[in-house]
Amino acid sequence: SQKIEQNSEALNIQEGKTATLTCNYTNYSPAYLQWYRQDPGRGPVFLLLIRENEKEKRKERLKVTFDTTLKQSLFHITASQPADSATYLCALGGDSSYKLIFGSGTRLLVRP
Amino acid sequence: DVKVTQSSRYLVKRTGEKVFLECVQDMDHENMFWYRQDPGLGLRLIYFSYDVKMKEKGDIPEGYSVSREKKERFSLILESASTNQTSMYLCASRQGAQETQYFGPGTRLLVL
Repeated sequence: SQKIEQNSEALNIQEGKTATLTCNYTNYSPAYLQWYRQDPGRGPVFLLLIRENEKEKRKERLKVTFDTTLKQSLFHITASQPADSATYLCALGGDSSYKLIFGSGTRLLVRP
Repeated sequence: DVKVTQSSRYLVKRTGEKVFLECVQDMDHENMFWYRQDPGLGLRLIYFSYDVKMKEKGDIPEGYSVSREKKERFSLILESASTNQTSMYLCASRQGAQETQYFGPGTRLLVL
């Protein structure tokens, strides 16, 4: 069955460093991948979408890569700030399917 | 500003009660979704709707039903609440298959 894995351990980094979060998947060929941010007690907020024919996408301090051979996406936050502390979720989607498959998320803690 | 609202942030119910969770979106989106989120399990799709009066089962529909009488409103019904339905419930909407998905703030349901 389809499986999506994100590191369940929290990532703890110093302010100003680059945070890199990983999303791996198996038994699936997604047409696109999305990243969301979720703060405690709140709903996820969409950040970025990357399609299968795109290698990299950027938005301000955020960068996402998508390697369909490795079945992996990396999510980078450069010049991280304490306000970036949150849980980050990746989600995979098919070509015409409305279903998104979500990972369980990785918690990021940015120390001042 | 786009908005998805949910009827309650917190809800406490007794085993066997019928529970209604309501979701309203103001973006005229075709597609609406109900998820539940549990620690370590990520977001799991309960039901989704791609049009008024149309619905499809997600991955965990047992014990739930839905209603979509108007385009902007999607209701989740727990016919007879059980303790294993204690969870965070998230509603979402989006227009197309590869579009941004917008989430509501979530309803934290406790079934005693």
